Amino acid sequence: NAGVMQNPRHLVRRRGQEARLRCSPMKGHSHVYWYRQLPEEGLKFMVYLQKENIIDESGMPKERFSAEFPKEGPSILRIQQVVRGDSAAYFCASSLKAPGGANVLTFGAGSRLTVL
Amino acid sequence: LAKTTQPISMDSYEGQEVNITCSHNNIATNDYITWYQQFPSQGPRFIIQGYKTKVTNEVASLFIPADRKSSTLSLPRVSLSDTAVYYCLGGGSGNTGKLIFGQGTTLQVKP
Repeated sequence: NAGVMQNPRHLVRRRGQEARLRCSPMKGHSHVYWYRQLPEEGLKFMVYLQKENIIDESGMPKERFSAEFPKEGPSILRIQQVVRGDSAAYFCASSLKAPGGANVLTFGAGSRLTVL
Repeated sequence: LAKTTQPISMDSYEGQEVNITCSHNNIATNDYITWYQQFPSQGPRFIIQGYKTKVTNEVASLFIPADRKSSTLSLPRVSLSDTAVYYCLGGGSGNTGKLIFGQGTTLQVKP
């Protein structure tokens, strides 16, 4: 019973390139969340998606960042024209239930993006 | 949003009991209190969740007073491997999914 799978675990990009981070939620989970964590800091909410729908993207920068969770396949966080400030660990989580109440998130191991 | 406040850091020694208190004054009526643990270079891991009174599992206990404005995570007889960051969450923003983690409490267990 695999947990939340994220890939790649490590990604190096030069400024101006695109970064694509993938997340496969736990089996049966239809709620996906993306968080960003800078070194020595806490987790910052970016976006919450259900299958084929973006529910809350209030934590995601309006430019260069996009996320999707298609009917088939993993959720993808896409960062276009990366800058050095995008260097961080990006964590994906999934849940069985909708947010609120007794909701529990299961996190992946994270994808660490380094922008040169 | 249920904003949480917890100590930035705590030190303990092996074998001691550690209590980490979190305040969540604005927690919504239907929201639970959930604690996560994060080791360096790993994703957070669920520890325990409760609504009120006391919850205990194989890892920890969670004490929640009647007013639910705070909660205390209790780790019995900590070991070096319990050194981690502990996050308290008091629910999300309605149904939008915006769960706020905050800075967490960095627990350092010493030999």
